[in-house]
Amino acid sequence: QKEVEQDPGPLSVPEGAIVSLNCTYSNSAFQYFMWYRQYSRKGPELLMYTYSSGNKEDGRFTAQVDKSSKYISLFIRDSQPSDSATYLCAMNEGNYGGSQGNLIFGKGTKLSVKP
Amino acid sequence: GAVVSQHPSWVICKSGTSVKIECRSLDFQATTMFWYRQFPKQSLMLMATSNEGSKATYEQGVEKDKFLINHASLTLSTLTVTSAHPEDSSFYICSARRSGQINSPLHFGNGTRLTVT
Repeated sequence: QKEVEQDPGPLSVPEGAIVSLNCTYSNSAFQYFMWYRQYSRKGPELLMYTYSSGNKEDGRFTAQVDKSSKYISLFIRDSQPSDSATYLCAMNEGNYGGSQGNLIFGKGTKLSVKP
Repeated sequence: GAVVSQHPSWVICKSGTSVKIECRSLDFQATTMFWYRQFPKQSLMLMATSNEGSKATYEQGVEKDKFLINHASLTLSTLTVTSAHPEDSSFYICSARRSGQINSPLHFGNGTRLTVT
C-alpha cells in the first residue's frame, strides 16, 4: 500500500459545481496536511495548510482532515474554469519526522471545470 | 508572501553538455531546499535535499555525480545536470521552507523544463 493514495481522475465538472477531492494515507504519524494546485508546466502553488484533524476554510476552498479515518478532502465551491488544474495532496509528520521536512505527495487529481 | 524563483524556466541543450538550474528564495531565508523531478502526468519525485553549507542528501537511485547540488547561501541552491543525455529530459522543480519554521509548508518554484537533444 502506498503511503498516500489519490485518484488521478480526470474529473470533469460544470462551472458552478461543488468539487470534492480526496486522499487517503496509511501513516498515522502524519500531522501536517497540504493541498497544492499545479497548472500545466508550472510549479505547485500552496492552497491550504492544516494541522491535525478539523476543517479550514479560505474563500471558496475548504480543507477537511479526519485523522481517525486517515482521510483528507478539499472542497471547491462555485467552481470556475480557472480552477482547472491538477490538485496534489501532501503531508508529513512534522518536526522533520526524520526526513528533513520533505512532503509525501499524492499523485494528483486532474480537474477540468467546463464553462 | 513566500516567493521561490527558479531559473531558467526552460532550456534546450545538446547531449553531453551541462546545465545549471537556480532556485532562489526571494523574500525569506531557506536553510533547506528540495529538488524534484516530474514526468508527464506523474507526481513529484524527490531527487535530493539541499542544506545550506553542507552536502546534499540524495534519494536512492539518484546519481550524485550527475546531479550536482550546491547550496551556498540561505537564499540560493543550484542543481547542475552534468553530461546531460536525452533521458534526463524532464521537468525539474525546487522547493524551499523558511528557516526556523520546521513545520511550515514548502513553497515551490515554477519549474525548469529541460530538453536534451
